[in-house]
Amino acid sequence: IQLTQSPSSLSASVGDRVTITCRASQGVSSYLAWYQQKPGKAPKLLIYAVSTLQSGAPSRFSGSGSGTDFTLTISSLQPEDFATYYCQQLNSYPYTFGQGTKLEIK
Amino acid sequence: QVQLQQWGAGLLKPSETLSLTCAVYGGSFSGYQWTWIRQPPGKGLEWIAEINHSGSTNYNPSLKSRVIISIDTSKNQFSLDLTSVTGADTAVYYCARQALYGYAAFDIWGQGTMVTVS
Repeated sequence: IQLTQSPSSLSASVGDRVTITCRASQGVSSYLAWYQQKPGKAPKLLIYAVSTLQSGAPSRFSGSGSGTDFTLTISSLQPEDFATYYCQQLNSYPYTFGQGTKLEIK
Repeated sequence: QVQLQQWGAGLLKPSETLSLTCAVYGGSFSGYQWTWIRQPPGKGLEWIAEINHSGSTNYNPSLKSRVIISIDTSKNQFSLDLTSVTGADTAVYYCARQALYGYAAFDIWGQGTMVTVS
């Protein structure tokens, strides 16, 4: 299953509301997760099961969608949110990731 | 608090075998899939393989012919061997945990090991 994220990069300001989209080449049921990765660090799980916030992840992150179209929303950008974000499908093998969305400071 | 700590050789020559091990500290070894993922420099994430505590495995078809994933439940460790490496295998390799129930994702990750093939 191919996952296509858009945009590939995004410039935004602190306090902005940001939306990242992930489109799957076929349905993935609710097996969709989102990760945040900062340079030199391992990815960190933010959202799983489309919309379930991982323990410890800030509540400004939310996920939505169904079938093949999914969205990660950050309600009010904080300085620590500038990073690369990946979606992942765990519906079928091989598990795959989107190509990533790099979120930069405007 | 569960932690994954990984280690292995960081510099290999072409045709050699990459070997990495990941140890699980502070949590149960059963009830989870134990996974390897890699990330070439400046690129995205690629799922490699997974194994559970009973030894059941799944592999990425793109690497399956060269990958062996194994588990040592007595040590709470699992390992990855990738044979016949080339420059295309240069990447940061991560181990990670996924619960066996529900719509679980990779909630705990190792620190990553940079492996260079040159």
